[in-house]
Amino acid sequence: EVQLLESGGGLVQPGGSLRLSCAASGFTFSTYAMAWVRQAPGKGLEWVSTISGDEVYYADSVRGRFTISRDNSRNTLYLQMNSLSPGDTALYYCAKYRERYFDYWGRGTLVIVSS
Amino acid sequence: QSALTQPASVSGSPGQSITISCTGTSNDIGGYKYVSWYQQHPGKAPKLMIYDVTNRPSGVSDRFSGSKSGNTASLTISGLQAEDEADYYCTSPSKTNTRVFGGGTKLTVL
Repeated sequence: EVQLLESGGGLVQPGGSLRLSCAASGFTFSTYAMAWVRQAPGKGLEWVSTISGDEVYYADSVRGRFTISRDNSRNTLYLQMNSLSPGDTALYYCAKYRERYFDYWGRGTLVIVSS
Repeated sequence: QSALTQPASVSGSPGQSITISCTGTSNDIGGYKYVSWYQQHPGKAPKLMIYDVTNRPSGVSDRFSGSKSGNTASLTISGLQAEDEADYYCTSPSKTNTRVFGGGTKLTVL
């Protein structure tokens, strides 16, 4: 059974940083692309970033501030978030990415950016 | 990346059929055969319902179907059931290896 468990969310001040983690199990992690998708409170889904092999891609809204990475030895996906602003407040989902669609999602970790 | 356009809400009675549209451009929906649809119940993670425009993952009811014409994709739910009440999102690849989501549609089963 595929499981994705996000962690690392919390309350952070504007301008601060956080690192999110996503522990994966139930599939061969190293062979699949992965992604982060966020959802602001009461709002829709927003694609944040994807990592596929050595290639990484970012939404314009986070490029230059967020960094996606993975540790295949630990079956873990990361999202380093810097220069956070209130607009980054959201539930951040980790998703297994089949290059064309997201087939499994975690339950999310909540990031709140506020002073 | 501009969001795809979905109706904010749709509704239908049990047993009826409804269709949710998702309109983009030639840079996303019109340029790819990879539209996917997700169902999200309140407080839950999204669930894949349709991928590659028309395909259903194993375990998804055949009451759910997808289609695409030009820059617009559609999700049809036939034989509406109370459990179908949820938010639905479309997404498509876009140019430069990015992805774009629709704003979401709230389905109400009357």
